[in-house]
Amino acid sequence: GAGVSQSPSNKVTEKGKDVELRCDPISGHTALYWYRQSLGQGLEFLIYFQGNSAPDKSGLPSDRFSAERTGGSVSTLTIQRTQQEDSAVYLCASRLTGGQLNTEAFFGQGTRLTVV
Amino acid sequence: KNQVEQSPQSLIILEGKNCTLQCNYTVSPFSNLRWYKQDTGRGPVSLTIMTFSENTKSNGRYTATLDADTKQSSLHITASQLSDSASYICVVSVDWGGGADGLTFGKGTHLIIQP
Repeated sequence: GAGVSQSPSNKVTEKGKDVELRCDPISGHTALYWYRQSLGQGLEFLIYFQGNSAPDKSGLPSDRFSAERTGGSVSTLTIQRTQQEDSAVYLCASRLTGGQLNTEAFFGQGTRLTVV
Repeated sequence: KNQVEQSPQSLIILEGKNCTLQCNYTVSPFSNLRWYKQDTGRGPVSLTIMTFSENTKSNGRYTATLDADTKQSSLHITASQLSDSASYICVVSVDWGGGADGLTFGKGTHLIIQP
């Protein structure tokens, strides 16, 4: 596609349920990032995928959060046993790297997650 | 620890006025610095990108400066318009030469333009 696509755009879930958020990066982009943005807050890094390398999971807030990237393309962020504090906008970005410096990160529109 | 600090946290100015947003960083080794604009309910969109050797770069009414020695950047908005109301995010990139890199985000400056 022309840009980074995220789905769903909005998700309301009950506390304790699991949710899956999807990100389709720009074709050919080797780097993929997940960020979380709580209301009125800045972007909080969650996880970073680069090609076939092991992902940088240092930003995941708890073991309830996990992410995978299949085939180096689509990524899924899974939150298990959701809590109300998980409510936020989850943003995905992709970037062309692989030796090319100074490339721009393109963001999706985000998934707004509300845990009730 | 790599950090990006932005100031002010929020700013309200009248339409037509100029303003300057600040970004200080401790990211190392530095590769480049970007300013993003994030409209409410949208994903961030890149405004400018500067590498180590660039001191200033313009994009319409937006002018970014970079002082790599003091690790400071600023974003100057000239003749502000109502559509400039948004969050402005400073992002610093690290490159380790092998193509793998990371982005460090500031928390952003929330700018409100009043008519």
